[in-house]
Amino acid sequence: DIQMTQSPSSVSASVGDRVTITCQASQGISRWLGWYQQKPGKAPKVLIYAASSLQSGVPSRFSGSGSGTDFTLTISSLQPEDFATYYCQQAKSFPLTFGGGTKVEIK
Amino acid sequence: EVQLVESGGGLVQPGGSLRLSCAASGFTFRSYEMNWVRQAPGKGLEWVSYISTNSGSTIYYADSVKGRFTISRDNAKNSLYLQMNSLRAEDTAVYYCARASPITMIGDHWGQGTLVTVSS
Repeated sequence: DIQMTQSPSSVSASVGDRVTITCQASQGISRWLGWYQQKPGKAPKVLIYAASSLQSGVPSRFSGSGSGTDFTLTISSLQPEDFATYYCQQAKSFPLTFGGGTKVEIK
Repeated sequence: EVQLVESGGGLVQPGGSLRLSCAASGFTFRSYEMNWVRQAPGKGLEWVSYISTNSGSTIYYADSVKGRFTISRDNAKNSLYLQMNSLRAEDTAVYYCARASPITMIGDHWGQGTLVTVSS
């Protein structure tokens, strides 16, 4: 199974800050990676697919990069509605696996 | 508009069974691969099961549910199912159905989830 290690587990940031979340796969997954945002009591929402492609309707302040084993989700200027938990997910092979999550909190 | 609506969750005793349903609308259901994903209270996301398009001839399960859960689909009813048997306390979670985006296998639409609680 491919393990996904996400860091940090939590981050405190202010509105307008640049936030970076990393995800490392235990083996190469090319660009088979997605990023999700989840708010309390809600279903996850996809932000990024294929490592760097922005899902339709997602603000351009979100961006993804990386390939192989190392990936990054960047929020260029944090907005109030961005305080949430973020998950990466590999889609290279079954079982599909998620990172442990990164909670973005208000500083 | 794409909609996925789960139902069938509830309280069940250890060793019991439940059948979850996911009603799909707003897209050609038979053409999409589907997944079940769960989230235990206060925990992260865990993939549970996958079913391929059309006849659903390809199916995968997480090791944690293999032999106890069965995924199926009824394309005539635009519905996805998860039959859960021999339930354990550790199966307590919100269960989401998620449509898989073609090729990328990323969940591009999710239902609101249904809570399964396994407790005596």
